[in-house]
Amino acid sequence: DAKTTQPPSMDCAEGRAANLPCNHSTISGNEYVYWYRQIHSQGPQYIIHGLKNNETNEMASLIITEDRKSSTLILPHATLRDTAVYYCIGVGGTSYGKLTFGQGTILTVHP
Amino acid sequence: DVKVTQSSRYLVKRTGEKVFLECVQDMDHENMFWYRQDPGLGLRLIYFSYDVKMKEKGDIPEGYSVSREKKERFSLILESASTNQTSMYLCASSSPGTGGRGYGYTFGSGTRLTVV
Repeated sequence: DAKTTQPPSMDCAEGRAANLPCNHSTISGNEYVYWYRQIHSQGPQYIIHGLKNNETNEMASLIITEDRKSSTLILPHATLRDTAVYYCIGVGGTSYGKLTFGQGTILTVHP
Repeated sequence: DVKVTQSSRYLVKRTGEKVFLECVQDMDHENMFWYRQDPGLGLRLIYFSYDVKMKEKGDIPEGYSVSREKKERFSLILESASTNQTSMYLCASSSPGTGGRGYGYTFGSGTRLTVV
């Protein structure tokens, strides 16, 4: 599975968009990019995933660059409850879906 | 709407005890996973199972074993608990289709185990 690199921390004002970057320059053609988040003392929660195309769901949008070497998770209107650790993970189709978690990005949303 | 249930939220055990951590999912998922999470080390995979009675070692299996007798239940066993196994333990499940497609993992709320 691809190694991913994320900034250790980011801040965002409540109501503004939070843009969380992820670098995955070694990602292979059949690996998906998954995003999870973990709110303090809870299990990680699935947010969104994508392969090549940009994706959007009720929680977030995922923008993947054309060369697939990086992606950005967008929380369009961040709230205080979005304060969490966000993990970007590359998952291959033959790995039984094993997730290898890095250190993630600590997102702090300020009032 | 609970989908992955871990039997205990907090657990305190003594050194040398045999400890069972239970995880049950109601989504008919084939794959189940056990992770532990420690400050500064993140989440690390202990064991996973892709079918009943099947198991595979993860990155840190030493000191642990698992049991998957029924599809919905995946148990983590600490044969002889030690203080360095004090940690948050997280169970997750997924279906094969979510290895690269679908909706990803569903995690339980975690069991915080303290070994004294």
